[in-house]
Amino acid sequence: DTEVTQTPKHLVMGMTNKKSLKCEQHMGHRAMYWYKQKAKKPPELMFVYSYEKLSINESVPSRFSPECPNSSLLNLHLHALQPEDSALYLCASSHHYPGLAGDSYEQYFGPGTRLTVT
Amino acid sequence: ILNVEQSPQSLHVQEGDSTNFTCSFPSSNFYALHWYRWETAKSPEALFVMTLNGDEKKKGRISATLNTKEGYSYLYIKGSQPEDSATYLCAFVDYGQNFVFGPGTRLSVLP
Repeated sequence: DTEVTQTPKHLVMGMTNKKSLKCEQHMGHRAMYWYKQKAKKPPELMFVYSYEKLSINESVPSRFSPECPNSSLLNLHLHALQPEDSALYLCASSHHYPGLAGDSYEQYFGPGTRLTVT
Repeated sequence: ILNVEQSPQSLHVQEGDSTNFTCSFPSSNFYALHWYRWETAKSPEALFVMTLNGDEKKKGRISATLNTKEGYSYLYIKGSQPEDSATYLCAFVDYGQNFVFGPGTRLSVLP
């Protein structure tokens, strides 16, 4: 199974709502990532978890709160978002982060959650 | 801020043509360079991960080269097919494990 799944596929939320995005993989990967992608732009890294610990937080506002309950699951909790947070949120996983002994591992991406904040 | 550039921004070729794109990245503090293909309505898919200067990798009709000293990588597609139509993204990784995607090259292969 080389699939990364993400739910929901689409989400519309108001600025006062609280919602969560979910990502799951069963490839035994120990690194998981959240990206934000705006139209016609490349994905921007938000968070990296390595062995269920937060390794990278790219200065993301606190209204985005990541959680990694176990090695297969990654959540992104959303609260008090702004309309400019509307984007495609992609999850990815890889064997390790960073690479071991100079290696770097390809990332496997999920299909994304299209988020609209009204 | 790490500057990762790709050229051209978009490209239209006829079926059967060979083509290539460029990814430019900082030549200092290099750790790895990734290439991904992103088809519309699908997930980005890894093509290559390259770590050594002079690396050449090949997957079917697609190949890539890496020059870390001058800070560029080329992606080549031989005999383009309509199913090659996608956005091709490179991603630069430095020793601080910063992971930055380039803006992508959008390829359209016309039958």
